[in-house]
Amino acid sequence: DTGVSQDPRHKITKRGQNVTFRCDPISEHNRLYWYRQTLGQGPEFLTYFQNEAQLEKSRLLSDRFSAERPKGSFSTLEIQRTEQGDSAMYLCASSLEEIYEQYFGPGTRLTVT
Amino acid sequence: QKEVEQDPGPLSVPEGAIVSLNCTYSNSAFQYFMWYRQYSRKGPELLMYTYSSGNKEDGRFTAQVDKSSKYISLFIRDSQPSDSATYLCAMRSGNQFYFGTGTSLTVIP
Repeated sequence: DTGVSQDPRHKITKRGQNVTFRCDPISEHNRLYWYRQTLGQGPEFLTYFQNEAQLEKSRLLSDRFSAERPKGSFSTLEIQRTEQGDSAMYLCASSLEEIYEQYFGPGTRLTVT
Repeated sequence: QKEVEQDPGPLSVPEGAIVSLNCTYSNSAFQYFMWYRQYSRKGPELLMYTYSSGNKEDGRFTAQVDKSSKYISLFIRDSQPSDSATYLCAMRSGNQFYFGTGTSLTVIP
């Protein structure tokens, strides 16, 4: 296992469409985080899972966003009815519960036209 | 006011220079401090992390935390063109992590 992977790396979609991103964390990591990053900004926390439980969600995560982590392994982030303001890099990170260093994936760059 | 403030730069230095990158924060609950390097269109890469006030050194990198002043720094010695990237500071409070906006660094050969 070489690190956190994300798929797809790029996604272009039309406004109003639904999109789903996938994140595969480092295999022994039980914590998984989703962030959004726009140009010139640092990553902004969206939500995190410990194993399969979604423990915290940011106010940034509107009801159009939903995340799952079935079986505590990979995670998906779905955005329904996409808006142009959703265009950003969506980053996934994972860590061990007792160690707080997060390791990031390469990100999924979303463009909503 | 943002909880983590970081000068976005851009910062341009000649090869071999010592680089100083800084962040300030307002939340006394921040307990864990990290520095990430991010190349264009890539995910952030963890460089260093520290829990307590003081210095931590790793090769050409030194992380410094001053909790009393709510100020952290990253020093890069003998900077190389490959160090050209955006450097992000990050801090943990509870189970959430807060990032600075990043400082763009260019090291000129």
